[in-house]
Amino acid sequence: GAGVSQSPSNKVTEKGKDVELRCDPISGHTALYWYRQSLGQGLEFLIYFQGNSAPDKSGLPSDRFSAERTGGSVSTLTIQRTQQEDSAVYLCASSPRQYQETQYFGPGTRLLVL
Amino acid sequence: GESVGLHLPTLSVQEGDNSIINCAYSNSASDYFIWYKQESGKGPQFIIDIRSNMDKRQGQRVTVLLNKTVKHLSLQIAATQPGDSAVYFCAETAPLNAGNMLTFGGGTRLMVKP
Repeated sequence: GAGVSQSPSNKVTEKGKDVELRCDPISGHTALYWYRQSLGQGLEFLIYFQGNSAPDKSGLPSDRFSAERTGGSVSTLTIQRTQQEDSAVYLCASSPRQYQETQYFGPGTRLLVL
Repeated sequence: GESVGLHLPTLSVQEGDNSIINCAYSNSASDYFIWYKQESGKGPQFIIDIRSNMDKRQGQRVTVLLNKTVKHLSLQIAATQPGDSAVYFCAETAPLNAGNMLTFGGGTRLMVKP
């Protein structure tokens, strides 16, 4: 497909478990972003990657959150020891370069922590 | 901190009428703005963008207006259709935003009455 894809589309987990969320950006896009959207809220920036450079982690809410991007393409967002407040939609976006470039979003992963 | 916000959380219009969704931003350094449309269960979809060297930009049935003096952004939708029903987010970025990170407003829900 031509768009950003994310998996799984839905994830239900128990409190304390670890989860991994995957993002496949649009081919050729060097910038990749993770955002979080809580129910009925706007989007909250989490982390971004530019090519193979070290990511900017300034938006991560706690050290339980981490992300990596392998080969400058696919990215994985990991949440360790999940808490109920982690329940949200996690959205990934990519753009061709970095500054003043439109970000294209994937469908999101809906995470529910019981 | 700096933020982007919306005046109206819900806008209800009659099919065929024009819709105007407003957004206020507070970061005077913001120079790139995007409007996204988000339907239930989907990721945000790009509608239109505008750079700060412009005050108006038109797309298909949509127009974005930017007033930098009062830091105000609006999205106009002509001949609103039922398929336009969604939540609309404005987003902005500034040169000092890490990696072109977008700051999103809280969203306005547009409801189109047949």
